Amino acid sequence: EDKVVQSPLSLVVHEGDTVTLNCSYEVTNFRSLLWYKQEKKAPTFLFMLTSSGIEKKSGRLSSILDKKELFSILNITATQTGDSAVYLCAVPRRTSYDKVIFGPGTSLSVIP
Amino acid sequence: NAGVTQTPKFQVLKTGQSMTLQCAQDMNHEYMSWYRQDPGMGLRLIHYSVGAGITDQGEVPNGYNVSRSTTEDFPLRLLSAAPSQTSVYFCASSPGRGKYEQYFGPGTRLTVT
Repeated sequence: EDKVVQSPLSLVVHEGDTVTLNCSYEVTNFRSLLWYKQEKKAPTFLFMLTSSGIEKKSGRLSSILDKKELFSILNITATQTGDSAVYLCAVPRRTSYDKVIFGPGTSLSVIP
Repeated sequence: NAGVTQTPKFQVLKTGQSMTLQCAQDMNHEYMSWYRQDPGMGLRLIHYSVGAGITDQGEVPNGYNVSRSTTEDFPLRLLSAAPSQTSVYFCASSPGRGKYEQYFGPGTRLTVT
């Protein structure tokens, strides 16, 4: 059965810390992996990764994919209170059409 | 562009009532999906569509119907509401054809008593 697993499920850090969030997957006909940030409302798209070893960066956030070991990490450096959110990992499953499977999310709390 | 819009934002139903959650997008996206989000369960796919006239079931389709008569609209119908359908519902759209990033609507918080 296809699945997406994230760890840790929750994390509390102090402002300025660096955090690493993990996502592992077992999905049929893997194409890509996506990261989303969800604050109190709807998820917003962060990154899409399709190739192993190529880092995607946006400001203090970066992500990398390892297709051999079937995982991705999301790094956040110099965390700020505005980074507090649930971070979701998602993998489209290619069958007849693309269905997207979401992981359970990592709840990150950044305290001053 | 308004992006993905959903109505209503909040709804309370009694067990057995039916209703339709509305979703519309103005980005000319091919793919549209409905998810429900429950504490500890993450986002679960209810139904999805890859174009007008084409729909398919997701992980948790029971008790819900969808149709897609136009590219823009993708309503979700609850046939006979049950307390187990109390949840937050998100509609999402994506361009399709290998572009998987999804754009989510603001969500509908539904309570069934």
